[in-house]
Amino acid sequence: KNEVEQSPQNLTAQEGEFITINCSYSVGISALHWLQQHPGGGIVSLFMLSSGKKKHGRLIATINIQEKHSSLHITASHPRDSAVYICAPLAGGTYKYIFGTGTRLKVLA
Amino acid sequence: GAVVSQHPSRVICKSGTSVKIECRSLDFQATTMFWYRQFPKKSLMLMATSNEGSKATYEQGVEKDKFLINHASLTLSTLTVTSAHPEDSSFYICSARHNTDTQYFGPGTRLTVL
Repeated sequence: KNEVEQSPQNLTAQEGEFITINCSYSVGISALHWLQQHPGGGIVSLFMLSSGKKKHGRLIATINIQEKHSSLHITASHPRDSAVYICAPLAGGTYKYIFGTGTRLKVLA
Repeated sequence: GAVVSQHPSRVICKSGTSVKIECRSLDFQATTMFWYRQFPKKSLMLMATSNEGSKATYEQGVEKDKFLINHASLTLSTLTVTSAHPEDSSFYICSARHNTDTQYFGPGTRLTVL
């Protein structure tokens, strides 16, 4: 079993839909990072959180440390949101990320 | 947010040559930088951790003589792929640690070895 599981692995949505991507992990962590990788490959850091909830524009990230679960929500999705979204917990006591395999999102106009 | 740059963004080279990739933190000092490799449709794989002024720590299975890492200053780390081979073709990404838990990722370098 992978230490980080993301679901769904692939997601196609219509423009305007509300999107949720889930991440579950099995190790103790100090923080969790949500990353966005566009088709060209470049990685953008969306959120780093260790508790509660963070919001930036149309993006919301939540984490429940006790349940070892985090979610990334996109409201009013847009085709430009099409990318791979990667959950990356930071293993407790280290500076090493454990990367999920990513969720490939495609938003259709 | 903090910015990390990589240069070049794309490089094509012949087998047997060496290629140097630079990773720079543009607006902060990074005591630690990380180098990752990503195969198509796969997760990032940590190759090595680079601390300023000291030798890099390589992950298991990564050849340190093939992937030379130098972290000469608080804003620059370099990865040199020596005697490149087609199997080294990949997407290489660096990240720089800003404070305790925050890491910022570079845009990546796509290496193609012919």
